[in-house]
Amino acid sequence: GNSVTQMEGPVTLSEEAFLTINCTYTATGYPSLFWYVQYPGEGLQLLLKATKADDKGSNKGFEATYRKETTSFHLEKGSVQVSDSAVYFCALSEWGGNEKLTFGTGTRLTIIP
Amino acid sequence: NAGVTQTPKFQVLKTGQSMTLQCAQDMNHEYMSWYRQDPGMGLRLIHYSVGAGITDQGEVPNGYNVSRSTTEDFPLRLLSAAPSQTSVYFCASSHRSPDQPQHFGDGTRLSIL
Repeated sequence: GNSVTQMEGPVTLSEEAFLTINCTYTATGYPSLFWYVQYPGEGLQLLLKATKADDKGSNKGFEATYRKETTSFHLEKGSVQVSDSAVYFCALSEWGGNEKLTFGTGTRLTIIP
Repeated sequence: NAGVTQTPKFQVLKTGQSMTLQCAQDMNHEYMSWYRQDPGMGLRLIHYSVGAGITDQGEVPNGYNVSRSTTEDFPLRLLSAAPSQTSVYFCASSHRSPDQPQHFGDGTRLSIL
């Protein structure tokens, strides 16, 4: 079956630091890959997505590249802000299957001023 | 545009009680789903629906029922609440395609005593 493994948290960084949150996946077909973000007390929001190999998703200064050869979709940001403090989830859904999302366990990120 | 609306936001039940968590979306999405979020486990799919009159089980369906009589509504029923069902529940919806992002409600925090 499908699975998503993401970096264990929590992660604490200083403002303006570089961020990487690792995500690797296992899928039997050709998945679409997503990063969702959850701010305190809220539901999940789509942060970015990529639907085929070598695609780069980007939004709000965050980027992730779909690497089929390493089955990875690592999230990066060059300079984090306090407002980026949230829980980040990597997820996949698979073509030829259905719309069901398989999530990683989430990584809690805290940015300190 | 309300998006995905979940009610109630908080609920406390006693073991053995029943209740229904409501979910409504106004985006004419065909696909709707329910997840539960537990610490260290990410989000796990309970039930999903690809259209009115069609439902199916996800990863953790035991103890829950769903129905989909309209495109807009997808209620989740707990038949006889158990402490193991203490969790945060999220409803999500999307158009029918694996590369379409899912839209999440703000969640229902449920405690079973």
